[in-house]
Amino acid sequence: SQQGEEDPQALSIQEGENATMNCSYKTSINNLQWYRQNSGRGLVHLILIRSNEREKHSGRLRVTLDTSKKSSSLLITASRAADTASYFCATDAYSGAGSYQLTFGKGTKLSVIP
Amino acid sequence: KAGVTQTPRYLIKTRGQQVTLSCSPISGHRSVSWYQQTPGQGLQFLFEYFSETQRNKGNFPGRFSGRQFSNSRSEMNVSTLELGDSALYLCASSMTLAGEYEQYFGPGTRLTVT
Repeated sequence: SQQGEEDPQALSIQEGENATMNCSYKTSINNLQWYRQNSGRGLVHLILIRSNEREKHSGRLRVTLDTSKKSSSLLITASRAADTASYFCATDAYSGAGSYQLTFGKGTKLSVIP
Repeated sequence: KAGVTQTPRYLIKTRGQQVTLSCSPISGHRSVSWYQQTPGQGLQFLFEYFSETQRNKGNFPGRFSGRQFSNSRSEMNVSTLELGDSALYLCASSMTLAGEYEQYFGPGTRLTVT
């Protein structure tokens, strides 16, 4: 079952605009990660935010984490056509015996129109 | 550093056959995880291997199995293929247990079962 759920499922914006994607999850986490996937290819890690962090930046990316609301958001500023991709959040969930399982949401499909 | 490599990249098999997919992680990475990605179910966790031991297993039937060698390379095997096994199979490696740090994904193996 999906631990993280992204919202919206699809987003279409003009180049230069900002794009915001949200992720909600159900159980407590150690960290939350965001990944990007270009059509039919492998995933690329974007950013990892730990449960004791509230905000993190990486270039044009800004991630926030609200553990009280069990939600996270990914903001891409000044979007470019090359940002067109699917974006996934992934949360680690304790699966027993000292192990954690990374669970992905179904993703937000972002289209940036030139 | 070379990235995660997966072979083969594309595979067409017939229902009832078996298939073995291979994954070579980034040098120094000890954890290898496997995921199945389909349009309907999204990214689903298959299993994780760490230092040749299976640490986690997702909710898949016993037809799906894997192993990890002493050099951290991993293989997954699917026996008695079904049409529903058609998917993109992604392998990811990380320095330690998945979930604690970012994962690096390979390009995937596209399996088509006819």
